[in-house]
Amino acid sequence: AIQMTQSPSSLSASVGDRVTITCRASQGIRNDLGWYQQKPGKAPKLLIYAASTLQSGVPSRFRGSGSGTDFTLTISSLQPEDFATYYCLQDYNYPFTFGPGTKVDIK
Amino acid sequence: QVHLVQSGAEVKKPGASVKVSCKASGYTFPSFGISWVRQAPGQGLEWMGWVAPYNANTNYAQNLQGRVTMTTDTSTNTAYMELGSLRSDDTAVYYCARWDSSGSDYWGQGTLVTVSS
Repeated sequence: AIQMTQSPSSLSASVGDRVTITCRASQGIRNDLGWYQQKPGKAPKLLIYAASTLQSGVPSRFRGSGSGTDFTLTISSLQPEDFATYYCLQDYNYPFTFGPGTKVDIK
Repeated sequence: QVHLVQSGAEVKKPGASVKVSCKASGYTFPSFGISWVRQAPGQGLEWMGWVAPYNANTNYAQNLQGRVTMTTDTSTNTAYMELGSLRSDDTAVYYCARWDSSGSDYWGQGTLVTVSS
């Protein structure tokens, strides 16, 4: 199975900060990667699919990039509602696999 | 609008089985897959598998092969996930989600399954 890693595992940031989260696949996955946001006690929410396509209704401050093995989620200006845990998911081949998550909390 | 409504919390003994349901509404059920994801307390997300309602095709996570079965009933627009030979480390919140090539865009509310003697 393809292994996914994320860095950092957690970060502290302030409102208005630019935040970057990295996801790396153990083998090439083209652009078959999604990003999900999860808040405590809630179901995950799809932010980005196909590595860089913004899901409908998701604010444009979220941006995804990358292909092959290295991917990035960038939040251009962190808002209070963005404090959450972020996961990448490869859907290149079965079994799909999530990264371990990156927790973004308030500095 | 799209809704996925899951069955309620379960408490099971080790070795037992659990079957979680996920009733879909607001879209054409056979047109999208249903994926299942679980989250143990304080842990990350784990992809469990996927079922295609239109032909019953499935794919499961390797570590669950032989213990998990995912099915659908297109007459009631309901998906099911059954997990057998339960262990304490199966204690988790189990989520269903609508799936297509764009990802899982709608999710159920989650079902807590507790495995305890």
